[in-house]
Amino acid sequence: DQQVKQNSPSLSVQEGRISILNCDYTNSMFDYFLWYKKYPAEGPTFLISISSIKDKNEDGRFTVFLNKSAKHLSLHIVPSQPGDSAVYFCAAITGTASKLTFGTGTRLQVTL
Amino acid sequence: DAEITQSPRHKITETGRQVTLACHQTWNHNNMFWYRQDLGHGLRLIHYSYGVHDTNKGEVSDGYSVSRSNTEDLPLTLESAASSQTSVYFCASSESWDQPQHFGDGTRLSIL
Repeated sequence: DQQVKQNSPSLSVQEGRISILNCDYTNSMFDYFLWYKKYPAEGPTFLISISSIKDKNEDGRFTVFLNKSAKHLSLHIVPSQPGDSAVYFCAAITGTASKLTFGTGTRLQVTL
Repeated sequence: DAEITQSPRHKITETGRQVTLACHQTWNHNNMFWYRQDLGHGLRLIHYSYGVHDTNKGEVSDGYSVSRSNTEDLPLTLESAASSQTSVYFCASSESWDQPQHFGDGTRLSIL
């Protein structure tokens, strides 16, 4: 049972435009959501997070939106840069379990 | 700078052999985790530990074991390697449940 889903395996965006990566979840008990970025042959690196009590968190070019009623979150990257080309994982955690549940990832390619 | 290191980075072994993957962190984090990454599955939790002498099973723990004798290390052992355990393995650590996990660069394990 996939509790965190990323339904788009890949996304291609032109440099300078907005990238929108989506994530859906089924467990309403998740307290905290995170986005990780992963380059080939490296481990995932933390990008941005949001608590379940908020609906938006912004950090520079990266903004995460949370819609609890729809059990949906999205990561917006504006403007997109070639260095943003990577695999992005959505993850969620509950305070009681303290374990991350990951989505399957979306490969973002930013083209010139 | 604090870091988390995994060794070896690559390993090839035969079915039936015992294999141990090392994970060492200098963050002084109590929480440590092992994941495997496979195409179409994202990262799946194998085992985790909340402190010395504490170990817990994740969602894909069969065939794996861990031990935590100190804060810095959480070695992962495959008791009798199987071809289905060919994967990329990531170790991670975190300070607390609501803090991001820091990942190592992974070990690519091939079992022939």
